Amino acid sequence: EAGVTQSPTHLIKTRGQQATLRCSPISGHTSVYWYQQALGLGLQFLLWYDEGEERNRGNFPPRFSGRQFPNYSSELNVNALELEDSALYLCASTGQGRNTIYFGEGSWLTVV
Amino acid sequence: AQKITQTQPGMFVQEKEAVTLDCTYDTSDPSYGLFWYKQPSSGEMIFLIYQGSYDQQNATEGRYSLNFQKARKSANLVISASQLGDSAMYFCAMREGGTGGYNKLIFGAGTRLAVHP
Repeated sequence: EAGVTQSPTHLIKTRGQQATLRCSPISGHTSVYWYQQALGLGLQFLLWYDEGEERNRGNFPPRFSGRQFPNYSSELNVNALELEDSALYLCASTGQGRNTIYFGEGSWLTVV
Repeated sequence: AQKITQTQPGMFVQEKEAVTLDCTYDTSDPSYGLFWYKQPSSGEMIFLIYQGSYDQQNATEGRYSLNFQKARKSANLVISASQLGDSAMYFCAMREGGTGGYNKLIFGAGTRLAVHP
């Protein structure tokens, strides 16, 4: 069974551009979390989607947005990129019971 | 308010010995779940173990066990027989609310574990 998959693995963008990161949850999982982990720091909660709806949002500006598709995959969009957006972006999925929350390998975003 | 506290920024352990990584949490919700993850230098977050607030027994998964002390609000991770491959960052996390609750997973700051031969 495939785990959580994220793409791209690495992404380099210029300040002011837009970045789009993608996440496919484990089959059967309907809930997707997004986290940002800046270098050397902990995980900061970004967004949570469940059954296609945004359920919760972290303390990030509106230029961080996303959506969840009918197949439960998800997309994170970051507009007007700033240098401090450079980070590892992690996606996690969970299903009913939510006793196990599995992460993908992450997408490294570098803004230059 | 800090919800998850990991007071050990770094820990060292000799190979084959046991090590305990501390985690305390703060919640007023009677229903919650506690998670531990391992993050090697590659960046992936590896799920290790889960403890529910209503679970009677301490969780165990192979060499990992969770020392759950509900009254003290602590959920320490015990790694037995440490291996060199255990060297990584370890994060404690909590999700409040029951299985039907819409709550996020929040993380502690992490503990970096170094296993020495």
